[in-house]
Amino acid sequence: AQSVTQPDIHITVSEGASLELRCNYSYGATPYLFWYVQSPGQGLQLLLKYFSGDTLVQGIKGFEAEFKRSQSSFNLRKPSVHWSDAAEYFCAVERPFDGYNKLIFGAGTRLAVHP
Amino acid sequence: DGGITQSPKYLFRKEGQNVTLSCEQNLNHDAMYWYRQDPGQGLRLIYYSQIVNDFQKGDIAEGYSVSREKKESFPLTVTSAQKNPTAFYLCASSIGPTGAYGEKLFFGSGTQLSVL
Repeated sequence: AQSVTQPDIHITVSEGASLELRCNYSYGATPYLFWYVQSPGQGLQLLLKYFSGDTLVQGIKGFEAEFKRSQSSFNLRKPSVHWSDAAEYFCAVERPFDGYNKLIFGAGTRLAVHP
Repeated sequence: DGGITQSPKYLFRKEGQNVTLSCEQNLNHDAMYWYRQDPGQGLRLIYYSQIVNDFQKGDIAEGYSVSREKKESFPLTVTSAQKNPTAFYLCASSIGPTGAYGEKLFFGSGTQLSVL
């Protein structure tokens, strides 16, 4: 079955430290790939996307992600974390399914930032 | 400003009761979606609608019902048949569930449903 795996449920980093959130997917072809961020009690906001081409994509708030086909991964990175980055992060894949495109979300990674 | 409005923010359900969650959008989007979010499980699709007066079941439709009588509105009813309704419910809309719509998905702020 197609799935999206975010291996880390919780991650804690110090402010100013670098960050990498992992995402792996299982699907034969390359799907559309997304990272979303969710603040407590809020909806999801798109951080960045990968459709094709350059495997390193830039997003909002200083985030970037790298698509690695050989590893079926789409990891999210940020060189220097700010306290305001504390939130939950979701990786998602979009692929054709039964006449429409279906979004499949990972379970999320909750990020805590220490001052 | 255009957006999606979900109400109420918090909702409590008694045993055997049906409750309805409201979702309204003024983005002129054709497609609307309901997701359920449980801790540690990400988002799961309950129902979606691509056009007025039409909707399809998602992955976890049992115990839920929807209607789409107006383009702007997509209410979700959690029926008494849903035995574990406590969750955070998110409504979303897009121009349509095709062609990389994940990029164009707008989310409401959610409704937290709890059982009394």
